[in-house]
Amino acid sequence: RKEVEQDPGPFNVPEGATVAFNCTYSNSASQSFFWYRQDCRKEPKLLMSVYSSGNEDGRFTAQLNRASQYISLLIRDSKLSDSATYLCVVNGWASGTYKYIFGTGTRLKVLA
Amino acid sequence: DTAVSQTPKYLVTQMGNDKSIKCEQNLGHDTMYWYKQDSKKFLKIMFSYNNKELIINETVPNRFSPKSPDKAHLNLHINSLELGDSAVYFCASSQKGGGTYNEQFFGPGTRLTVL
Repeated sequence: RKEVEQDPGPFNVPEGATVAFNCTYSNSASQSFFWYRQDCRKEPKLLMSVYSSGNEDGRFTAQLNRASQYISLLIRDSKLSDSATYLCVVNGWASGTYKYIFGTGTRLKVLA
Repeated sequence: DTAVSQTPKYLVTQMGNDKSIKCEQNLGHDTMYWYKQDSKKFLKIMFSYNNKELIINETVPNRFSPKSPDKAHLNLHINSLELGDSAVYFCASSQKGGGTYNEQFFGPGTRLTVL
């Protein structure tokens, strides 16, 4: 089982649609959780951290379910500019150190 | 002001050559990383340094040798380049290595092509 798993997509959605991505992680000792966004041929950039109580940033809502070990990202009112790859990232203690583990990413295409 | 910078941005070289990639961060962070992103877009940790000390060394061939002259710099030297080394290499930094919510900041990447 991969340490962090995501559906690679692509998710093709029309502008204005709501889309949700899920991510599962295997290390129950994971402590911090993030969604990063990566545009084509660019570096990953932090979209938002994911807190235990869930958090929202404008059109983006992130949820964490520690019991089931999954993280979700909801995007409302999709814009063309939301087209990108969304990377789930988990940080936790493993093999004697803290590590950031990246999922393979979920590709989103928002269509006009 | 570039937070994490890498040079060169593009590197095209022949098999068997030796090359280096340099990384610098001006954020005052303690921890720096090298990641490899292959053609399938999977971002995999290679090395991590905390205040010039190596703390993560994943199963990477010995041909790859990181060096951190100070906590703001982390370089990557690759000996005897192979076709399979072709990828995008990202440098990143964070305040700490983990345990709390530390954002990682990435450099623009170095696109390495081995012919």
